[in-house]
Formats: sequence, C-alpha cells, structure tokens
Amino acid sequence: EIVLTQSPGTLSLSPGERATLSCRASLSIRSSYLDWYQQKPGQAPRLLIYGASSRAAGIPERFTGSGSGTDFTLVISRLEPEDFAVYYCQHYGSSPPYTFGQGTKVEIK
Amino acid sequence: EMQLVESGGGLVKPGGSLRLSCAASGFTFGNYRMNWVRQTLGKGLEWVSSISPGSGNIYYADSVRGRFTISRDNADNSLYLQMSSLRAEDTAVYYCARTEVYGDYGDAFDIWGQGTMVTVSS
Repeated sequence: EIVLTQSPGTLSLSPGERATLSCRASLSIRSSYLDWYQQKPGQAPRLLIYGASSRAAGIPERFTGSGSGTDFTLVISRLEPEDFAVYYCQHYGSSPPYTFGQGTKVEIK
Repeated sequence: EMQLVESGGGLVKPGGSLRLSCAASGFTFGNYRMNWVRQTLGKGLEWVSSISPGSGNIYYADSVRGRFTISRDNADNSLYLQMSSLRAEDTAVYYCARTEVYGDYGDAFDIWGQGTMVTVSS
C-alpha cells in the first residue's frame, strides 16, 4: 500500500500569496496515479488535478500540479478568498487501495 | 447536471447494520466504475469500496472487508453499500464517487455526492 505524506499540515497565507503544497509517496509511483482534491467545510471533495498535472474541468489556471516519482506539488499561484480550504492528494493506482494523504489546510493568515 | 445523492445514513448500535444508497443522474451510470469513500469527523478521507460497471470487479478496504457489501443496479441508476457488524470506528460521512478514466492520465473521483452521516454508538 502506498502511503502519502502531505506537508505542511497547515499553511497560513494571505490572499494574493503563492501556496506550495507537498505530497510525498512512500514508494515511487506513476505520475498518472496522483490526483489532488480540494475540500471546503461542509462540502464534498472536488477534483482539482488528475495525472499529477492535468487540471480537471472548470479548474482555474492558478492551480498547477507537478512532480514525479515520490515527490508531487500543488501550487496555487495567487490565493483567492475561495481557495482557503483543505487539500488532499490521492494515489489512484492500477489496483486498490486508493489511498489519500492526510491533507493540508490552507488558512487565512 | 451530473449528480450523486446519498441516503440511508443514521444512528446505529455497535454490531448493527445499515444500507446506504446513492442515486445517480445526469450521466450514463452503467458506464462508470463507482466507489464509496468515507471521512471521519475532523479527519481525512478513506477509500472504502469500488465496483466496476458490470459488477464483475469489486474491491474493499481491509478495514471493511467481510462486513460491507457494495452493489449496484444500473437499470435504476443506483449504488448501494450494505454495512453490517458496524463498529464505532465506522462512524463517518460516507460519500459515493464516480471514477472518470482519463486514459494515459490515470483515473480520478470526478463527481462526488454530498455525503450521508453514519454514527455507530450505543
């Protein structure tokens, strides 16, 4: 089972700032197996990035995913008020379990 | 509009059973792999179970194998999760989610329901 470790646990930033979120896998994984989700309080998760770097439908260009092997990154170039949320990476491999990281909370500083 | 709506959550005693349902609309349900994902209060996300479009391939997390059963009715556009021998640690919000296949770019949960709360407590 692939274990995903996200860092930092909490990121305190101001609107307009750049956010850099990290997701590290316990073993090297295919880039196509790494997805990112955003979750706001009281809402279901929303798919942001699939295949490490492809934005899902309707996702703004300020969200950029990158990485390979064991290290993956989600960058939000300029934080908008609606971007303050919890972000999860997920390993959706060729077979289950489809594990999630523990999440990074992006909060308003 | 593509939508998933869960129902069936509630309060159940340890050792009890509960059946969750997920109604799909706005897309051809029978073409998609479907999943259950849960989230404990204040904690992260845990994949629970998946079922292929024709129900031929079914998978479970180790934490629920032997106690939970996933099923679907493509004619009725519905997904189910039969939960038995429930434990306190099964207390969570349960989401159904659709798998979208992006070819060389992998798979992802692209549509989620709003979730249904399951509380296991005496």
